[in-house]
Amino acid sequence: ETGVTQTPRHLVMGMTNKKSLKCEQHLGHNAMYWYKQSAKKPLELMFVYNFKEQTENNSVPSRFSPECPNSSHLFLHLHTLQPEDSALYLCASSQDFRITDTQYFGPGTRLTVL
Amino acid sequence: KNEVEQSPQNLTAQEGEFITINCSYSVGISALHWLQQHPGGGIVSLFMLSSGKKKHGRLIATINIQEKHSSLHITASHPRDSAVYICAVRLDTGNQFYFGTGTSLTVIP
Repeated sequence: ETGVTQTPRHLVMGMTNKKSLKCEQHLGHNAMYWYKQSAKKPLELMFVYNFKEQTENNSVPSRFSPECPNSSHLFLHLHTLQPEDSALYLCASSQDFRITDTQYFGPGTRLTVL
Repeated sequence: KNEVEQSPQNLTAQEGEFITINCSYSVGISALHWLQQHPGGGIVSLFMLSSGKKKHGRLIATINIQEKHSSLHITASHPRDSAVYICAVRLDTGNQFYFGTGTSLTVIP
């Protein structure tokens, strides 16, 4: 398997549920990202990990909790979400976090919060 | 107001037409990216620019740092070019990225 994969592709959850999104990259990259894409809004960068260390957290609510156990895997743990959190969540990776590094995106997880 | 503005928001073209999508930004940047998002969500990075012009196949991207403006051109457009094209900038003050809302392109056979 190559590239960046995300599971599940679709997720429906209630506001009291706890779920996790998974991202895996097979590119040997050192940096990984979580993005949120809401309808009619620009992409929002949520978290950045470089060499397993979180380098950016863009004022994301604590109900979103990232985890990066190694350079190939990235998780987004979800709990007590709100309906406005319904969106497409995209994972990406790049060789490092340099300005010139190209990001490679996964297919996304379509999340619906009821 | 968004730090990155794209125009037009929607564009319909006949196959074979020359297409231009514009991106203006209001912040200092270290790099600008053009992304392509197909229906279903998958995003592909097309170009990373910090100055000048880049060409890849039928796609050409230019940037004018002084005017804070970039353009993405598609020559001899084809229905498979139909997608949303997103402009993104990386700030020169740190690690933050800002994204435009995208230009939805439909190329009709």
